[in-house]
Formats: sequence, C-alpha cells, structure tokens
Amino acid sequence: SQKIEQNSEALNIQEGKTATLTCNYTNYSPAYLQWYRQDPGRGPVFLLLIRENEKEKRKERLKVTFDTTLKQSLFHITASQPADSATYLCALTYSGYSTLTFGKGTMLLVSP
Amino acid sequence: NAGVTQTPKFQVLKTGQSMTLQCAQDMNHEYMSWYRQDPGMGLRLIHYSVGAGITDQGEVPNGYNVSRSTTEDFPLRLLSAAPSQTSVYFCASSYSAGVSYNEQFFGPGTRLTVL
Repeated sequence: SQKIEQNSEALNIQEGKTATLTCNYTNYSPAYLQWYRQDPGRGPVFLLLIRENEKEKRKERLKVTFDTTLKQSLFHITASQPADSATYLCALTYSGYSTLTFGKGTMLLVSP
Repeated sequence: NAGVTQTPKFQVLKTGQSMTLQCAQDMNHEYMSWYRQDPGMGLRLIHYSVGAGITDQGEVPNGYNVSRSTTEDFPLRLLSAAPSQTSVYFCASSYSAGVSYNEQFFGPGTRLTVL
C-alpha cells in the first residue's frame, strides 16, 4: 500500500527565512498531490494542488514542486511570518480513484 | 455560505452507546467524506460518498455506518462506541466526485471521547 512520509519533527525557523517541508511517497507516483494547512483545533484548509506532469506551482509566497523520479514533493514558504506557524499536510490521489491519502503532517514554527 | 458544518463540537460517550455525528454542506458538493484524526496517525478515511444514495468504505470503516439521502447531509453513525473510537472526526466535501483534482473543504471537527 502507498506510504507517505512527512517529517515528524517540528521545523523551527526564523521570520523572513524560507521554510521547506518535505513529502515523500513510496510505490507508484500519484496523479495529483495536494497541500493543506491545519491550525490547532481546526479542520485542514486547502492550499495548493500539483499534477504529476507539473514540476512546480506557485501561489503568492507558496511554492510546491513535484519530482516523480525522487518520489518527493517540496513545499516552500518564502519570507515566512509567525502567522505561518501551523501543521502542513500533504495528500496524494491517483487517477480514477475517489480517495485522498494524507501524510501525518509537519509542524512549522516561525519565530519573530 | 456556511460551508461544511459539523455537530456536535464535543461529545463524551460511554462504551456501548450509539450516536450520530452530523455533517452538512451548503455548496451543492457531490463528494463528501469522513475522516478521523488521531495523534501520530494523521487523517484516515472512514467512509465517503460520491453522490446522494452512493457510499463506500475507506481505510477504517469498522464500527461506523453512513448514509447519504440528500446532497447536503452525510451523517456518521457509531453503532456501539468503543474507547478505540476516541478521536477527532472531520467531515469534508468537494465539488465533484473527481476528488483527485478538487480541493477538499473540511468542517471544524467533532472531538469524541469514549469512556
């Protein structure tokens, strides 16, 4: 079965720096990969989606890359702010499938 | 639009009791799903529905029932609660059954404790 790995240790960075979060998967490549943000006590909120034939996707300060050779997606937040502190989840899905598989998430802490 | 709403926010049950977690969306979304989230386990899919009258099992369906009689509502029933069902439950919806390329809208969650 598909396994998704996200860093279980929290990522601590300083305000203004670029945060980079990793999502690794095993087995065959997904058709789509999504990233979500989750704040404590709240439901996840969708951020970005990238398709397997796309190398990179951007939205404001966010950038996602998708490398099917490395079986990895990287999620970048540039010019990070304390308000970016949250847990970030990646989720995979495959063509023709009706379900998403989520990673366990990585907590990001941005200090002023 | 209220988006995805869930009730109750918190619930405490005794082992063996049954209850229904409510989920509703007002976005006319075809696809709805239920996840549970446990520490260190991430979000796991319980059941999902690609449209009214159609439901299917996810990764962890045992002990839960669902039905989808309307587009708007997707209740989750716990038949006989067990301590292993202590968790935070999230309902989610998306525009179409093509969940792969549609963003999921999540509700605020229900925190359930089974004693």
